Amino acid sequence: AQSVTQLGSHVSVSEGALVLLRCNYSSSVPPYLFWYVQYPNQGLQLLLKYTTGATLVKGINGFEAEFKKSETSFHLTKPSAHMSDAAEYFCAVSELSGNTPLVFGKGTRLSVIA
Amino acid sequence: KAGVTQTPRYLIKTRGQQVTLSCSPISGHRSVSWYQQTPGQGLQFLFEYFSETQRNKGNFPGRFSGRQFSNSRSEMNVSTLELGDSALYLCASSLGPGQGSSEQYFGPGTRLTVT
Repeated sequence: AQSVTQLGSHVSVSEGALVLLRCNYSSSVPPYLFWYVQYPNQGLQLLLKYTTGATLVKGINGFEAEFKKSETSFHLTKPSAHMSDAAEYFCAVSELSGNTPLVFGKGTRLSVIA
Repeated sequence: KAGVTQTPRYLIKTRGQQVTLSCSPISGHRSVSWYQQTPGQGLQFLFEYFSETQRNKGNFPGRFSGRQFSNSRSEMNVSTLELGDSALYLCASSLGPGQGSSEQYFGPGTRLTVT
């Protein structure tokens, strides 16, 4: 069965600092991997996804993530945090070429300090 | 292109009542999935509909049900509400299996409070 572990339920960074949100997954078949962001009182917005091919994936708002099969990881990074990045971030996995329901991690709340 | 819309946005119900939530997917999307989000359990999959058929179902009691109409709009129903059903219910739409992109696009959610 698939599962997702997000290390750190809360991460705090200074404005302009590197953002690193960790995600490890468990899957018996090649996974599709996603990062979503949720702002207060809103739904989830897709930041980026990995399906096949290039393991470094670039998304919106300057975020990127690297799929590392040997480490079963899909960590999310952004070189320089902005105040507007403060939100909750969810990593998700889907199997069978994306044709199974998304399994989400518990989420990481990112705070950005001025 | 309009995004996923969910109605109502907020709902307050009493224990024992039933509730129906509605979701209109992005135009051209034929798959609709429902998720429950709570502080304790996080995001949990409820069910998925494609072409008016339930394709996948999560581990929820039979009080939770859904359906999809020929225009791809979907409704979910919760009967005999319990306090623990208080949650944000999110709907997501996608093209559907074998239709290309596997991305799911989420609506703003319906905040259900059971008192």
